Amino acid sequence: AQSVTQLGSHVSVSEGALVLLRCNYSSSVPPYLFWYVQYPNQGLQLLLKYTSAATLVKGINGFEAEFKKSETSFHLTKPSAHMSDAAEYFCAVSGSSNTGKLIFGQGTTLQVKP
Amino acid sequence: IAGITQAPTSQILAAGRRMTLRCTQDMRHNAMYWYRQDLGLGLRLIHYSNTAGTTGKGEVPDGYSVSRANTDDFPLTLASAVPSQTSVYFCASSAIQGPNQPQHFGDGTRLSIL
Repeated sequence: AQSVTQLGSHVSVSEGALVLLRCNYSSSVPPYLFWYVQYPNQGLQLLLKYTSAATLVKGINGFEAEFKKSETSFHLTKPSAHMSDAAEYFCAVSGSSNTGKLIFGQGTTLQVKP
Repeated sequence: IAGITQAPTSQILAAGRRMTLRCTQDMRHNAMYWYRQDLGLGLRLIHYSNTAGTTGKGEVPDGYSVSRANTDDFPLTLASAVPSQTSVYFCASSAIQGPNQPQHFGDGTRLSIL
């Protein structure tokens, strides 16, 4: 079985500060990992995905994530937070079968203070 | 603009009533998914369809049914709604089935069962 744990349901940073959102996964097979962002009253949008081509993955809006197999982690970072980054962020791992089913973490709400 | 359209955007429903949530995509994606989003639980997969004419059960299928008569439409039906089905429902699609395929999401249907 596969699972995802996001550490911290709420993260608060000041504008311009580093953003670090933590994600750890459990998988018995090589995982495919995703980060999605959800703005209020909207659906989820893909930020980036890891598909084994490179361990450091760059996404949209200046976000990136590093796959660390030894730590079973896929943390999301951004060097400098903007007010517009305030949203809920979800880490997800693809299902163990080849059906594309996603297993999501609980989500982390990012607050950006001026 | 290509994407996923969900209807209604919100609904209040009496317990015991039948309800169908509609989902239409115009991207000609083969795979489609229904998730429910609950606070602190992230998104959980209800049902999925890898191609027109086929469907499968996800993590929380009880009380829900789906059909996939054609590529574009993937309705979700609650045969007899119960209060525990109060949630935000998201429809998603991906071009093909597969663990490395990103999913595109609709804006959701907010459903309240009284």
